[in-house]
Amino acid sequence: AQSVTQLGSHVSVSEGALVLLRCNYSSSVPPYLFWYVQYPNQGLQLLLKYTTGATLVKGINGFEAEFKKSETSFHLTKPSAHMSDAAEYFCAVTRPGTALIFGKGTTLSVSS
Amino acid sequence: KAGVTQTPRYLIKTRGQQVTLSCSPISGHRSVSWYQQTPGQGLQFLFEYFSETQRNKGNFPGRFSGRQFSNSRSEMNVSTLELGDSALYLCASSLADTDSGNTIYFGEGSWLTVV
Repeated sequence: AQSVTQLGSHVSVSEGALVLLRCNYSSSVPPYLFWYVQYPNQGLQLLLKYTTGATLVKGINGFEAEFKKSETSFHLTKPSAHMSDAAEYFCAVTRPGTALIFGKGTTLSVSS
Repeated sequence: KAGVTQTPRYLIKTRGQQVTLSCSPISGHRSVSWYQQTPGQGLQFLFEYFSETQRNKGNFPGRFSGRQFSNSRSEMNVSTLELGDSALYLCASSLADTDSGNTIYFGEGSWLTVV
């Protein structure tokens, strides 16, 4: 069965600092991997996804993630945090024929 | 292009009642999935429909059911509501299915409170 582990339920950074949100997955076949962001009282918005090809994926709002098969990881990064990045972030995994499985989420706080 | 639309956005029900939530996918999308989001359990998959057929089902009791219509619109129903059913119910749609890694787009959700 597939699973996703997000390390750290809460991450705090200062404005301008590097953002690193960790995600490790478990899948017996090559996975499709996603990062979503959720702002308060809203649905989920796709930040980026990896299906095949280039392992470094660039998304919206300056975020990027790198698929590392050997480490079964798909960590999300952003070089410089902005106050507007404060939200909850979800990593998710799927593979052909199965549903999207989410991690527990990481709340990102950004202080000035 | 309109996004995934869910109605109603907010509702309050009493224990023992039933509720029906509606979802209109993005035009052209044939796959619709439903998720339950709670603070304790996070995002949990309920079921997925593709061309009116349920393709995947999560680990929820039979009180939770759904269907998809020929125009791809979907409804989910929860019968005999329990306090623990209070949650944000999210609908998502995609062009085909996850076989091709199509992006899955989410609606803003229906907030259900059971009292």
